[in-house]
Amino acid sequence: DQQVKQNSPSLSVQEGRISILNCDYTNSMFDYFLWYKKYPAEGPTFLISISSIKDKNEDGRFTVFLNKSAKHLSLHIVPSQPGDSAVYFCAAHGSSNTGKLIFGQGTTLQVKP
Amino acid sequence: DAGVIQSPRHEVTEMGQEVTLRCKPISGHDYLFWYRQTMMRGLELLIYFNNNVPIDDSGMPEDRFSAKMPNASFSTLKIQPSEPRDSAVYFCASRRKTGGTETQYFGPGTRLLVL
Repeated sequence: DQQVKQNSPSLSVQEGRISILNCDYTNSMFDYFLWYKKYPAEGPTFLISISSIKDKNEDGRFTVFLNKSAKHLSLHIVPSQPGDSAVYFCAAHGSSNTGKLIFGQGTTLQVKP
Repeated sequence: DAGVIQSPRHEVTEMGQEVTLRCKPISGHDYLFWYRQTMMRGLELLIYFNNNVPIDDSGMPEDRFSAKMPNASFSTLKIQPSEPRDSAVYFCASRRKTGGTETQYFGPGTRLLVL
């Protein structure tokens, strides 16, 4: 029962272009969605989040979009930089629980110089 | 500030041996989480603690796995006996309960290889 799904295991883009990472979820009770970035040999680090009452949240080059009707969110990175090459995890949780994050499988982003 | 500390960073052991993974959460954080990452299943939550008390261990794969948190600054995840299918990267994470988005802070992980 995969409640959070990242259907693309990998993505390759050219430096300077836009990277779009996608995530789908099945549980309509999720209230918050987060993106984590993970470099090799390191733990995941928090990148950006969005509440279910919003449809967009922006932080510098990173923007997360939420489409509740489609149960879909995406992370846009503009412009992409080689240092953005990492594994990106989508995660979600409900407001009533105490922090149990449900993670997707992850998408490996490669930004080519 | 020190982040979440995990030890060892790498562990190679033989099937049947006991493995103990250790975690020191960020000071002041009252939630601690143990995750396992594999290629097939991604990041799975194994167990989490609140104020040193186990809250949800539904992700623990089987009785060979156990976790303890004797105090606010230390937790262990034990596998006894270990099996090759336990090979994975194990992460510990912690956070402080706040409203809104509940950001967790991850340690660097322990890469376990069971031969």
